[in-house]
Amino acid sequence: NAGVTQTPKFRVLKTGQSMTLLCAQDMNHEYMYWYRQDPGMGLRLIHYSVGEGTTAKGEVPDGYNVSRLKKQNFLLGLESAAPSQTSVYFCASSYYRGVETQYFGPGTRLLVL
Amino acid sequence: KNEVEQSPQNLTAQEGEFITINCSYSVGISALHWLQQHPGGGIVSLFMLSSGKKKHGRLIATINIQEKHSSLHITASHPRDSAVYICAVSGTYKYIFGTGTRLKVLA
Repeated sequence: NAGVTQTPKFRVLKTGQSMTLLCAQDMNHEYMYWYRQDPGMGLRLIHYSVGEGTTAKGEVPDGYNVSRLKKQNFLLGLESAAPSQTSVYFCASSYYRGVETQYFGPGTRLLVL
Repeated sequence: KNEVEQSPQNLTAQEGEFITINCSYSVGISALHWLQQHPGGGIVSLFMLSSGKKKHGRLIATINIQEKHSSLHITASHPRDSAVYICAVSGTYKYIFGTGTRLKVLA
């Protein structure tokens, strides 16, 4: 099993460009999450999904959109990238509720110039 | 004030030392988690606690629900333990993360 994978691993964007980050899990987990990690701050939840076809906002959703068309995939989109979105993005999944152990992807490092 | 506070923020130890990292939280929780993030960036879950104490190899995690406090102990520390240790608390559907403790163990 690959666990949780993320694509791409690293990306450089210019301000205003768009991109999609892909997260895939092969553990049949219901819940999936997108976080961002910035220096001096804890991981912050961007959006999450409690099952196929569902999405919900986390604590820092502005500037991001998500989709969960298939249970195993959770996509994070940036429609018009801004330098403030320079960060490391982590995807995670869990079988059921947040009280369960979350399994994290390796991260995507994004630099917006 | 952050809902999850860790101390210390940075810690340097000599190989073989006993290490303690502390976590305090101010919200109601269903469970508390300790995570490890290696220099390469990957995050792995070490423990999930809702009461008492858990042990895995040289790692021990304890939680005091009444005092809203948890500790992560590393016995006989080794340079390979060098990493960022993150405390997180979970409720209905999400985690709230601390900012992490950066541990460096010197040979």
